[in-house]
Amino acid sequence: AQKITQTQPGMFVQEKEAVTLDCTYDTSDPSYGLFWYKQPSSGEMIFLIYQGSYDQQNATEGRYSLNFQKARKSANLVISASQLGDSAMYFCAMREQSTGNQFYFGTGTSLTVIP
Amino acid sequence: NAGVTQTPKFRILKIGQSMTLQCTQDMNHNYMYWYRQDPGMGLKLIYYSVGAGITDKGEVPNGYNVSRSTTEDFPLRLELAAPSQTSVYFCASSYPTSGDATQYFGPGTRLLVL
Repeated sequence: AQKITQTQPGMFVQEKEAVTLDCTYDTSDPSYGLFWYKQPSSGEMIFLIYQGSYDQQNATEGRYSLNFQKARKSANLVISASQLGDSAMYFCAMREQSTGNQFYFGTGTSLTVIP
Repeated sequence: NAGVTQTPKFRILKIGQSMTLQCTQDMNHNYMYWYRQDPGMGLKLIYYSVGAGITDKGEVPNGYNVSRSTTEDFPLRLELAAPSQTSVYFCASSYPTSGDATQYFGPGTRLLVL
């Protein structure tokens, strides 16, 4: 079974609107971390936001927030007030303590911001 | 502070040739990782290391070897290059003593095997 599932291969959003990128995960480990990364067309991987499995509140970092629903095993990324520079691939990832802190990545979502 | 550096940035290999992808980090991170990213796909773990002298296989280790003689360096060796190894290779490091420790990535190496 896939550890991380991203079901949206591509998404479009109007500039200045909000967009939600979906991510579900599969683990039986009570201790894990969830991460979102951005990969622009230049290719580098940029860390955006982190959510720990024991965190009570949803993580926020500027225009990024993580909608963490533990019972549903989902960790959706919300980008508010989209900008043209947000056009990129977005990857959800999970780190499990039980597997030696390996990271598991989803297949990514391509986001295009329309002017 | 250079972070994670990778060399070369781009390489073309002929089938059967060998090469070493270099990765160095200057953040004193104990964990290091090698991933490959095929076109339009996510990252798949090749090998990882939790410290000098310790390495372990990831999801797709076949055709690759690694070594970790120092904390800073984690080279990836391709012994007999095959077209299936055409990909972008990313090295990353982390210091996961705290739960929110993310990975820091190098800029990647684009490898084309013909």
